[in-house]
Amino acid sequence: SQTIHQWPATLVQPVGSPLSLECTVEGTSNPNLYWYRQAAGRGLQLLFYSVGIGQISSEVPQNLSASRPQDRQFILSSKKLLLSDSGFYLCAWRLADRYYEQYFGPGTRLTVT
Amino acid sequence: GDSVTQMEGPVTLSEEAFLTINCTYTATGYPSLFWYVQYPGEGLQLLLKATKADDKGSNKGFEATYRKETTSFHLEKGSVQVSDSAVYFCALLVDSSYKLIFGSGTRLLVRP
Repeated sequence: SQTIHQWPATLVQPVGSPLSLECTVEGTSNPNLYWYRQAAGRGLQLLFYSVGIGQISSEVPQNLSASRPQDRQFILSSKKLLLSDSGFYLCAWRLADRYYEQYFGPGTRLTVT
Repeated sequence: GDSVTQMEGPVTLSEEAFLTINCTYTATGYPSLFWYVQYPGEGLQLLLKATKADDKGSNKGFEATYRKETTSFHLEKGSVQVSDSAVYFCALLVDSSYKLIFGSGTRLLVRP
């Protein structure tokens, strides 16, 4: 069966510090991968998606970036965090031929102080 | 552009009460519609889906019918339990698109 992992689960970082969040998927190959952000009391905003290694599409211009160095690994990064980067970050995956089945990881709660 | 509008919460109900959470959408093409649930401190789980007009999605006692004429996909449950307390998200996916478009979420609190 497929599983999706995210780490860390929680993170507190000062403004201006770098960020690296990792997401890995097990039990499948060539998934589509997604990063979402959920700000406090708000809905989900798609940040990035990837249909293959090295292929990243950005939905919202910001100081975050994403990379996909391996087929089942998706990384969200920042060189300098802003207060507005605080939120709950969710990784998700789906199989390309089952477009309506999208599965979410447990999330990372980021607090920028 | 494509969008989803949900009723604002929180919705507070007593156990065994009837639940309705309204969801309407705007979309080009023929979207698939979804309800996701997020329990406290967790990621999202797919609750139910409907991929074409008049389809009814159902799971765990929850139901939602894809109404093309009213562009709606309201979530209902006949008798809620305390364990149903969570945030519920309505979402749509337009044909062959890569991304889900979510509503803002509705928090449900069920009291014993």
